[in-house]
Amino acid sequence: DAGVTQSPTHLIKTRGQQVTLRCSPKSGHDTVSWYQQALGQGPQFIFQYYEEEERQRGNFPDRFSGHQFPNYSSELNVNALLLGDSALYLCASSPRQGGLGWGEQYFGPGTRLTVT
Amino acid sequence: QKEVEQNSGPLSVPEGAIASLNCTYSDRGSQSFFWYRQYSGKSPELIMSIYSNGDKEDGRFTAQLNKASQYVSLLIRDSQPSDSATYLCAASGYSSASKIIFGSGTRLSIRP
Repeated sequence: DAGVTQSPTHLIKTRGQQVTLRCSPKSGHDTVSWYQQALGQGPQFIFQYYEEEERQRGNFPDRFSGHQFPNYSSELNVNALLLGDSALYLCASSPRQGGLGWGEQYFGPGTRLTVT
Repeated sequence: QKEVEQNSGPLSVPEGAIASLNCTYSDRGSQSFFWYRQYSGKSPELIMSIYSNGDKEDGRFTAQLNKASQYVSLLIRDSQPSDSATYLCAASGYSSASKIIFGSGTRLSIRP
């Protein structure tokens, strides 16, 4: 049973550039959430996708956008990169809770983004 | 600002002892609570979820929830060096409109 996968593992970008990160959910899961984790901090919720729509969003600017595909995989796009965007970006998948809030999430290995 | 608070540690516990990790939350509407373990340089790994007041046991782990006092705890019995990690607490409401909030984590060190 394949778990959550993410690509790439590491990425170095220059300030002002754009980046796309990818995630494939665990088998049987249809909901994907993205998080940003700075060093020494807990994951900060960016947004959640279900049925190819953004269902929830955390306190992140519009530079952060996403997409979910019919096979439930997802992309996170960040435009106009800032130095402060350097972090570990985590994708987590979960089975849909039927409108009953958050269930157990399973995280992928993450993408380490460095902005120089 | 809805928050989840954890003591950053490090919490040092001798091998074989009980490690007790605590978490408090500010949003009284929180209904679902999760404990994750995160090794250095790795992603969080789900340990336990708890939704009702009281204790929930899974192997060496016991999660405790007290909604009236707005705290959640995780007990690790017979602590092993492999338990050394950062433990993240997360809380969320019980609707599709609820956000999930993670604490900053407690660093646990098990000394031989």
